[in-house]
Amino acid sequence: NAGVMQNPRHLVRRRGQEARLRCSPMKGHSHVYWYRQLPEEGLKFMVYLQKENIIDESGMPKERFSAEFPKEGPSILRIQQVVRGDSAAYFCASSDPSETQYFGPGTRLLVL
Amino acid sequence: GESVGLHLPTLSVQEGDNSIINCAYSNSASDYFIWYKQESGKGPQFIIDIRSNMDKRQGQRVTVLLNKTVKHLSLQIAATQPGDSAVYFCAENVGAGSYQLTFGKGTKLSVIP
Repeated sequence: NAGVMQNPRHLVRRRGQEARLRCSPMKGHSHVYWYRQLPEEGLKFMVYLQKENIIDESGMPKERFSAEFPKEGPSILRIQQVVRGDSAAYFCASSDPSETQYFGPGTRLLVL
Repeated sequence: GESVGLHLPTLSVQEGDNSIINCAYSNSASDYFIWYKQESGKGPQFIIDIRSNMDKRQGQRVTVLLNKTVKHLSLQIAATQPGDSAVYFCAENVGAGSYQLTFGKGTKLSVIP
């Protein structure tokens, strides 16, 4: 029973490039959440999606960041024109409607 | 200017002893709480949860206690093992249709063999 899967596990980008982070939820889960974690800090909520719908994006920066969860395929977190401050670990979690969120291994983004 | 990183609170315990990790939460409206364990380079791993209508819940070797009066949550680990070494986060959810988890700063548990 595969858990939440994320890829790539590590991503290096130069300033100004685009970063695409992918997340496949646990089998049977239709709710996906993205969080960001800076070193030695807790996770910060970014966005909550269900299939083809953004439910809550209150934690996502208004510019350069977008997220989608299409009918088919993984959820994508997209960061355009990356800056050094975007360097962080990005975690995806999934749940069924019962609320408990299960996390993936994360993507560690490094912006040079 | 350059920001200074915050150092995580650290708890060191002898293997075989019990560990108690504490967490103060901020929102009196929170009605669901989760403890996660995060090992270096990995994602948070679910340990145990508790709803606000309970004050204690037990799992395998772990117990969570909730004191709503003082907004305090604790995680007790019995017979701590080297594999328990990790950073532990408490997370709260305010419910009422909100799905955001708000995470605490974390506590680093080091088990001395």
